[in-house]
Amino acid sequence: GENVEQHPSTLSVQEGDSAVIKCTYSDSASNYFPWYKQELGKRPQLIIDIRSNVGEKKDQRIAVTLNKTAKHFSLHITETQPEDSAVYFCPRVGDMRFGAGTRLTVKP
Amino acid sequence: DAGITQSPRHKVTETGTPVTLRCHQTENHRYMYWYRQDPGHGLRLIHYSYGVKDTDKGEVSDGYSVSRSKTEDFLLTLESATSSQTSVYFCAISHGTSGYEQYFGPGTRLTVT
Repeated sequence: GENVEQHPSTLSVQEGDSAVIKCTYSDSASNYFPWYKQELGKRPQLIIDIRSNVGEKKDQRIAVTLNKTAKHFSLHITETQPEDSAVYFCPRVGDMRFGAGTRLTVKP
Repeated sequence: DAGITQSPRHKVTETGTPVTLRCHQTENHRYMYWYRQDPGHGLRLIHYSYGVKDTDKGEVSDGYSVSRSKTEDFLLTLESATSSQTSVYFCAISHGTSGYEQYFGPGTRLTVT
């Protein structure tokens, strides 16, 4: 199965700034790339996903970009707000390995 | 919330006792999963099911068993609970293909004393 590495493990930004979290994968056959958000004390929630036949997908302030040549996909959050503070995961879909994720803190 | 419920939501039990957690879904999804979440480890897959009576092991299956006798219910059993199994347990379902578009239940906080 594919391996996914997520960076950074922690990220702190000022409210209004942008945040980018990157995941790299190794299996060229990977075709689905999801991002989950988990707020403190709550369940993980799928916030955006992308298929391998698409390079970018946007939903309001969040976007996911896919670079198949470099084998990485990124989550972009613009105009960050305190409610964006959470742990974000890009799981390895083949065997559903979530890893520790990226803890994003947005400072007001 | 994709019609997923978990019961109980909180449980405190003693070491050595059996514990069963229940995940119930109302939307007839084929794939169901059990994860545990511990600080510093993210989510780790325990077992998953790809249909009635069809289950398989995940990353951390030792000490756990599962059963799925009906599409809507996926049970996780700790035959003899240990303190290392103190955790938050999440159930999830997939729309369509395994691993795609997972939706999680509210979680069960289990404490083994």
